[in-house]
Amino acid sequence: GAVVSQHPSRVICKSGTSVKIECRSLDFQATTMFWYRQFPKQSLMLMATSNEGSKATYEQGVEKDKFLINHASLTLSTLTVTSAHPEDSSFYICSARDLVSGGAEDTQYFGPGTRLTVL
Amino acid sequence: GQNIDQPTEMTATEGAIVQINCTYQTSGFNGLFWYQQHAGEAPTFLSYNVLDGLEEKGRFSSFLSRSKGYSYLLLKELQMKDSASYLCAPANDYKLSFGAGTTVTVRA
Repeated sequence: GAVVSQHPSRVICKSGTSVKIECRSLDFQATTMFWYRQFPKQSLMLMATSNEGSKATYEQGVEKDKFLINHASLTLSTLTVTSAHPEDSSFYICSARDLVSGGAEDTQYFGPGTRLTVL
Repeated sequence: GQNIDQPTEMTATEGAIVQINCTYQTSGFNGLFWYQQHAGEAPTFLSYNVLDGLEEKGRFSSFLSRSKGYSYLLLKELQMKDSASYLCAPANDYKLSFGAGTTVTVRA
């Protein structure tokens, strides 16, 4: 299957700082990427849909000014957690939609995730 | 919104077959995904059903009935490495909703 990478895999930061997470589709172009968050022993929760060349669409309850998303190219989306606080500590995972396959084979592939710890 | 229901836990022995059922209620639907997730890792794609019926891929098969809002994932010839959480994820406009997942434990 297609490969999606995330960087960094782990990050520890101080409260009040900002953290940028990159999501890249390595062998396909992804006009749409998705950002999820997963707290321990809970299900993945969709945070936002990232569309190349346009503004991201945020799910209800997700602050767009706190979680800044930029999808500047067909292979890269970034999520910036601004003024991070301990309650933002979580596992952040991106997925990318492989449009080349399309139709019945339309598939979303996940990156390996980024574990954020805010002290 | 989406309501997704699947069993919390299942246990089976190595070499056996396990079927994980999933029922869902969605405001829109354009397919259902199954993912495998090991602890501390991101989900790995297993299958995608958009039409009714059974899709077979090696040891894993997935079934969908859109009229019943029902899907199942069938794992055959279980191996120890299959111990993981299995996530049923219906898609609405290609946005996935995840239930809590089913933790499968494979015993020797």
